[in-house]
Order: sequence, then C-alpha cells, then structure tokens
Amino acid sequence: EIVMTQSPATLSVSPGERATLSCRASQSVSSNLAWYQQKPGQAPRLLIYGASARATGVPDRFSGTGSGTEFTLTISSLQSEDFAVYYCQQYNNWPPLTFGGGTKVEIK
Amino acid sequence: QVQLVESGGGVVQPGRSLRLSCAASGFTFGSYALHWVRQTPGKGLEWVALISFDGSNKYYADSVKGRFTISRDNSKNTLYLQMNSLRAEDTAVYYCAKSCGSYCLDYWGQGTLVTVSS
Repeated sequence: EIVMTQSPATLSVSPGERATLSCRASQSVSSNLAWYQQKPGQAPRLLIYGASARATGVPDRFSGTGSGTEFTLTISSLQSEDFAVYYCQQYNNWPPLTFGGGTKVEIK
Repeated sequence: QVQLVESGGGVVQPGRSLRLSCAASGFTFGSYALHWVRQTPGKGLEWVALISFDGSNKYYADSVKGRFTISRDNSKNTLYLQMNSLRAEDTAVYYCAKSCGSYCLDYWGQGTLVTVSS
C-alpha cells in the first residue's frame, strides 16, 4: 500500500498570502495524484488531477506541481473561501486508493 | 449537472447489517466507475470500494473485504453498498463518488452517516 504523507498538518496564512502544501508518496505514483478541498460539513471537492491539471471551475490561483514522490499544491493568494482542509490522493497503484492525512489551512 | 445522493445511513448495532444507496443523475451512469469513501468524524478520508462501469470488477479496502459488497444497477442509475457484520470502527460518513477516467474522484455526494453502536 502506498502511504501518502502531507505536511504541514496545519498552515496558518493571512488572506492574500501564498500557501504551499506538500504531499509525499512512499513510492512513485508518477503523475497520478489528485488534490481535494474540504470545507466543514461538506464533501470533498476535486481541485487538481494528474498532479497539475485543474478540475472544471477551479480558480487559477490553485496550482499543482510534482511527479514521482513529491507534490505541491500552491494557492497563490488566499481568499476567505480557501480556508479549508486539503487532501492529496494517489491513484497510480491500487487497490487501495490512498489519501494523505490532510493539511488544514487556517486564518493567521 | 452531476448529482450523487446517498441514503440509508443510521444507527445500527454491532454485528448487524445496513445497505447504503447512491442515486446518480446528470451523467451517463453506465460509463463510469464508482467509489465509496468514508470519513471518520473529525478524521481523514478512507477509500472503501470501487466498482467498474459495468459491475464486472470490484475492489475493496482490506478493512472491509469479506464484510462489504459494492454493487450497481445501471438501469436505475444507483450504486449500493451492502455492509454486513458491522463494527464500531465502521462508524463514519460514507460518500459515493464518481470516478474520473483514471480513478481520481471528480464528483462526490453529500454523504450519509453510519453509526455502529450498542
């Protein structure tokens, strides 16, 4: 099973600042990596797939980079609606599909 | 627009069974693989099961293998999860999700809460 590790667990950022979230895989997942955003009481929402492709309707302030074992989600200028928990997920080697533990982006 | 609506959650005693349903609309149901994913209250996401577009292939997390069964009825645009021999650790919000072509999850339902407690 591929283990996905996200860091940091919590990121405190001021509105308008850049946020950089990391995701590491225990072995290569190529570019088969997705990022999701989850707000309290809501289902996760797909942001990025294929490590760098934005899903439909996702603002361009969200960008994903990386391949192999190291991935980054960058939010270029945080808006109030971006404060949420973010998860990465690999879909290269399955079953099982595996998620990271999440990074909570909170208001500084 | 794509909609996924789960139902069937509730409170159940350990060892009992429950069946979840997920009614889908807004896409060609029979063309996509579908998933169940769960989330323990306050915790992260755990993939539970996957079924291929035609139901011929099914995959499970080790934690539910032999107890849960995923199925689908393409004539009713509905996904199911039969959960038997439930345990306290199965307590979670269960989401159904539509697969991207390559097994990312591009649309999710709102979730249904399953509580296993005596």
